[in-house]
Amino acid sequence: AQRVTQPEKLLSVFKGAPVELKCNYSYSGSPELFWYVQYSRQRLQLLLRHISRESIKGFTADLNKGETSFHLKKPFAQEEDSAMYYCALKGGSEKLVFGKGTKLTVNP
Amino acid sequence: NAGVTQTPKFRVLKTGQSMTLLCAQDMNHEYMYWYRQDPGMGLRLIHYSVGEGTTAKGEVPDGYNVSRLKKQNFLLGLESAAPSQTSVYFCASRYGLVDTQTQYFGPGTRLLVL
Repeated sequence: AQRVTQPEKLLSVFKGAPVELKCNYSYSGSPELFWYVQYSRQRLQLLLRHISRESIKGFTADLNKGETSFHLKKPFAQEEDSAMYYCALKGGSEKLVFGKGTKLTVNP
Repeated sequence: NAGVTQTPKFRVLKTGQSMTLLCAQDMNHEYMYWYRQDPGMGLRLIHYSVGEGTTAKGEVPDGYNVSRLKKQNFLLGLESAAPSQTSVYFCASRYGLVDTQTQYFGPGTRLLVL
């Protein structure tokens, strides 16, 4: 079975502080992992995917198969990073399985 | 390109009423999806389609039906709405190529069932 766990419903940091949004997954094969972001009153959009190995808006995420994790990190959070973040997994089927999301608030 | 659009943006229904949500995409995408988003539950897949004329069940299909008569449109129907179907519904689409897994989302439809 495919499962994505985001242990933090809410995460609050101050501007300029490092931020890490946790994501753990359960899947026996080789997964594809994604981070989607939903800013206030906007549609869900892709932030990054693990196979791209890129940094978007200062965010990075590394797939750790040993720990079955795909944590999202940014060294210096900005107020405009406040949003809902969803980790998603694509296994062998066509479906994307989403975590329940983490609401990030960056305080001034 | 308009991308993925959804109609209507907001709707209030009474229990037992029926309605159809329309999703349209102008990107020539093969795959289309319907999700519902509920507080504390994340996004859950209702139904999806891998091409015109095909549909498949997702994680929470009960109470919903879908049709993909045209490649660009994916309709989600509620035959007899229930309060438990109060939610925000998102449509998404993507190319059919194996190495293009990015899904593009619509703006959502807020549905309230009284």
